[in-house]
Amino acid sequence: DVKVTQSSRYLVKRTGEKVFLECVQDMDHENMFWYRQDPGLGLRLIYFSYDVKMKEKGDIPEGYSVSREKKERFSLILESASTNQTSMYLCASTTLSTGVHEQYFGPGTRLTVT
Amino acid sequence: GNSVTQMEGPVTLSEEAFLTINCTYTATGYPSLFWYVQYPGEGLQLLLKATKADDKGSNKGFEATYRKETTSFHLEKGSVQVSDSAVYFCALRAGSSASKIIFGSGTRLSIRP
Repeated sequence: DVKVTQSSRYLVKRTGEKVFLECVQDMDHENMFWYRQDPGLGLRLIYFSYDVKMKEKGDIPEGYSVSREKKERFSLILESASTNQTSMYLCASTTLSTGVHEQYFGPGTRLTVT
Repeated sequence: GNSVTQMEGPVTLSEEAFLTINCTYTATGYPSLFWYVQYPGEGLQLLLKATKADDKGSNKGFEATYRKETTSFHLEKGSVQVSDSAVYFCALRAGSSASKIIFGSGTRLSIRP
């Protein structure tokens, strides 16, 4: 089974702090994604990566950056956390080999910025 | 552009009731369609999928049929259980969009014993 893990389930940070969210997948997937999930808005794509050191902006990249130095690890960085970044953050990965590209998700990190 | 519209919740049913959660989509070409489920406190799990018109995806008693003529992918289950209480997301992947998936806003389902 594919396993996607996220470094923290719950995180509380202060406004202005730099925040790192880590995601690791163990199935050699090429593509990895970061979403945020908010009530009534579903999942919104922040950034994705299709290869090591490669990244593309999603629908809401403002205030975020990402890093992918190794294939299995994809990090989301909040440069200066703000209260409107309080949310559930979900990481996902997928392989191109099946042709269907269904995504596999981690358990999520619930971030609160005070 | 590509989009997914699903019925708003919350939906509350009694155990053993019939479930339908409506989902319609807008997409160019021939998208792949998915239903994901999110149980309380967890990430999303793929529930079922369909990759071409008239395909029926099924899993855990849930079914959905890819209807191109009505651009729909409604989720159904004949007899729901309390353990089916979760949030359900309809989603699509269109063409060669680098594996990007577009999700609906989610429908919260609660089942009463």
